[in-house]
Amino acid sequence: AQSVTQLDSQVPVFEEAPVELRCNYSSSVSVYLFWYVQYPNQGLQLLLKYLSGSTLVESINGFEAEFNKSQTSFHLRKPSVHISDTAEYFCAVRRGSTLGRLYFGRGTQLTVWP
Amino acid sequence: DVKVTQSSRYLVKRTGEKVFLECVQDMDHENMFWYRQDPGLGLRLIYFSYDVKMKEKGDIPEGYSVSREKKERFSLILESASTNQTSMYLCASSADDSNQPQHFGDGTRLSIL
Repeated sequence: AQSVTQLDSQVPVFEEAPVELRCNYSSSVSVYLFWYVQYPNQGLQLLLKYLSGSTLVESINGFEAEFNKSQTSFHLRKPSVHISDTAEYFCAVRRGSTLGRLYFGRGTQLTVWP
Repeated sequence: DVKVTQSSRYLVKRTGEKVFLECVQDMDHENMFWYRQDPGLGLRLIYFSYDVKMKEKGDIPEGYSVSREKKERFSLILESASTNQTSMYLCASSADDSNQPQHFGDGTRLSIL
């Protein structure tokens, strides 16, 4: 089975500081990678995805993630966070042969302080 | 936009009751999923379905069953609710293409007393 590791369960940062949320997955031949965000009392929303092509993918609200095949990582970064970025972030992996199943990490709670 | 609708945001039931959680999606997706979310444990897959009347066990199916009689609707059933099933339940759907993400509902926070 696929495993996804989010190395930090909680990341506290001050507003306007940079942040990196780490994600590693177990090796597989063909994977698709996703980051989801969950705001309080809501479901998960897709933040960004890597399918193929450029290893750097960006979201509309300033987050980016880089696919690193040799290190089997897909870390999420933002150069300057806002208080509104406070949320839980989930990394997920999908293999081509798994009937659409996603394998999720345990999540990282990002808290941005003023 | 894809819309995944869960019938209740909050639900309170008693131990031993049979509980139904309903989920409907409007994008003709083949795949549907039920997860439970608990603090520190992330999302754990209970069951999923890749077609009408088809189902597959996820990682924690014990104490649950599912029903998919129509493509747009996927029901989660707690046969005899217990207090350890108090949790947030999330439904999701996705198209069959392997590069497609899952789309989630807003969740049902279920309390078993």
